[in-house]
Amino acid sequence: EAGVAQSPRYKIIEKRQSVAFWCNPISGHATLYWYQQILGQGPKLLIQFQNNGVVDDSQLPKDRFSAERLKGVDSTLKIQPAKLEDSAVYLCASSLRRKSSSGANVLTFGAGSRLTVL
Amino acid sequence: LAKTTQPISMDSYEGQEVNITCSHNNIATNDYITWYQQFPSQGPRFIIQGYKTKVTNEVASLFIPADRKSSTLSLPRVSLSDTAVYYCLVGDGNDMRFGAGTRLTVKP
Repeated sequence: EAGVAQSPRYKIIEKRQSVAFWCNPISGHATLYWYQQILGQGPKLLIQFQNNGVVDDSQLPKDRFSAERLKGVDSTLKIQPAKLEDSAVYLCASSLRRKSSSGANVLTFGAGSRLTVL
Repeated sequence: LAKTTQPISMDSYEGQEVNITCSHNNIATNDYITWYQQFPSQGPRFIIQGYKTKVTNEVASLFIPADRKSSTLSLPRVSLSDTAVYYCLVGDGNDMRFGAGTRLTVKP
C-alpha cells in the first residue's frame, strides 16, 4: 500500500513569512496527526484529527499555527507568521484508529517536511 | 498517558544483542507498549507492540514482566544499520506523545 505522502520535503523561508505543508494519509486511515520535531528532540504532537474533526490541539500554538482536514482525507498545516524557533521537521502520521476504540494503535509516518526559518 | 523513562543513549558493537529498557511505573490497564525506530531524515517507523509477556517479530522481541511497569526491546545481532533513535510509547492509543528516545549507536 502507498505510504503517507508529504510535501514539500524542504522549505526555506524568512521570519514573518508564511508556509504551508500538505499531507496525504494512507487510504482509509481515519486518524491523522501532525508532529513537530526539533533537531535532537522527540516528535511533539501538534494536532490530531479524527476524520475531519479535531481530537487534540492542546500543543498547537494557535496564534500562528493552523491545520485543517476538510474532507477527512488530506490535511494542511500552516504557519503564519513564522519565527526562527519554528525551524524543525514537520511530520504527518496516520492510523486506522477510531476515537471510540481503545487499545492498540499503530502510526505510519511520512518522511517529513524540513522547515528552515532564516 | 503513562510517563516513560529510557536511557538517553547506548553504544553497541556489530553482532551483539542490544536490550533497551523503558520504565513506565504508572501504566494503566488499557495501555499498550509500542516501540518505534527513527533514522536520520526519516519519520519514526513502527517496530513492535505488546500488552504482556513476550512478543516477537522478524525485527525484534519485546519482553514485558507481569507487573508491566517496564518493558525491554531486544534487538538480536545488531548491525551498523540499526543505528537509530528508539522510542517507547505507552498508552491506550488515544494520546500518541513521544519522549526523547534512546539513541543507539552500533560500532564496527
